[in-house]
Amino acid sequence: DAGVTQSPTHLIKTRGQQVTLRCSPKSGHDTVSWYQQALGQGPQFIFQYYEEEERQRGNFPDRFSGHQFPNYSSELNVNALLLGDSALYLCASSPAGTANQPQHFGDGTRLSIL
Amino acid sequence: EDKVVQSPLSLVVHEGDTVTLNCSYEVTNFRSLLWYKQEKKAPTFLFMLTSSGIEKKSGRLSSILDKKELFSILNITATQTGDSAIYLCAPLAYKYIFGTGTRLKVLA
Repeated sequence: DAGVTQSPTHLIKTRGQQVTLRCSPKSGHDTVSWYQQALGQGPQFIFQYYEEEERQRGNFPDRFSGHQFPNYSSELNVNALLLGDSALYLCASSPAGTANQPQHFGDGTRLSIL
Repeated sequence: EDKVVQSPLSLVVHEGDTVTLNCSYEVTNFRSLLWYKQEKKAPTFLFMLTSSGIEKKSGRLSSILDKKELFSILNITATQTGDSAIYLCAPLAYKYIFGTGTRLKVLA
């Protein structure tokens, strides 16, 4: 039973570029959330997707956008990259009705901005 | 504004010691509180606490929630070097709100 998988594992970009990160949820899960984890900090919620729609959003600018596909996989897009976007980006999945179900995390994508 | 505070921020102990990690929160529309362990990459799920005063246990780890005083604790007894990690507390409202975490280092 595959868990949450993310790709790529590492990525190096320069300021101003754009990036797309990918996530496949755990089998049986249909809700996907994205988090940004800066060094020494806890994960910060970016947004959550369910039924191919953004359901909740944290305090992140519009440069951060996402998508969910019919097979429940998801992408995180970041435009006009800034040095401060360097972080570990985590994807987490859960079954519908997150209230009583823990999220399961992928290993993340380490994004470095030069 | 929702707030989660974990203490201590970091802790160094020797194998066999017992540790208590704290998490206090102020979250609107609170549903439950989760604890995660993060080593190098993915946070791994430890506990989900929904009711006050009911201790959850898994081996040497245990946790309890106080919804009146808005805090939770995570206890680890007889610590081992493999317990070295960042422990994250995450109250769940309509989204998870993570604390900064407690960095635990267990020395042999």
